Amino acid sequence: DAKTTQPPSMDCAEGRAANLPCNHSTISGNEYVYWYRQIHSQGPQYIIHGLKNNETNEMASLIITEDRKSSTLILPHATLRDTAVYYCIVRVAFTGANSKLTFGKGITLSVRP
Amino acid sequence: DAGVIQSPRHEVTEMGQEVTLRCKPISGHNSLFWYRQTMMRGLELLIYFNNNVPIDDSGMPEDRFSAKMPNASFSTLKIQPSEPRDSAVYFCASSSGAYYGYTFGSGTRLTVV
Repeated sequence: DAKTTQPPSMDCAEGRAANLPCNHSTISGNEYVYWYRQIHSQGPQYIIHGLKNNETNEMASLIITEDRKSSTLILPHATLRDTAVYYCIVRVAFTGANSKLTFGKGITLSVRP
Repeated sequence: DAGVIQSPRHEVTEMGQEVTLRCKPISGHNSLFWYRQTMMRGLELLIYFNNNVPIDDSGMPEDRFSAKMPNASFSTLKIQPSEPRDSAVYFCASSSGAYYGYTFGSGTRLTVV
């Protein structure tokens, strides 16, 4: 069962902000939202995660709606190297049998010059 | 930090042969994951270990697949006998806890002819 829904693809211009949406309407109170990306031929790369507050790091910002049913990953100044598949994943963050990370199809972001 | 190290990077083998994929996790990480990626099925979790103990192997496709983690710094995924449908990119990842992100290796591209 898919816990998240992402559009299959989007594009943006280099230097502009890329806003990647994700719906997770059935998210539970103890589930976090994680974002990973996979650049062609490489292993997935962790970007950011959050529970209910907005989060920012050197790679991106994560905006989670107040009802937590959707979120947006923001790459503030997209570059050609940000072209990748971006995965939004919800997951309970505690050690044990439920700590596995399940990837969906993700969204393919194409950054154009 | 050398990251998660996988070997070999590429493997071409004939159907029926035994294949062993290797992974060295990041020192100090206590969880290790084996994933398989194909165009048709995307990223699939095969098995994961916590503190060297297999926790969930429900993703292992069949008895031809086996995985071991004899110590905290080494894991193997073995396919015996290999079949053409096993052709895929196999990723190993490690993590220091369920709250934290996973670090993936560069993958092993397996081709069974």
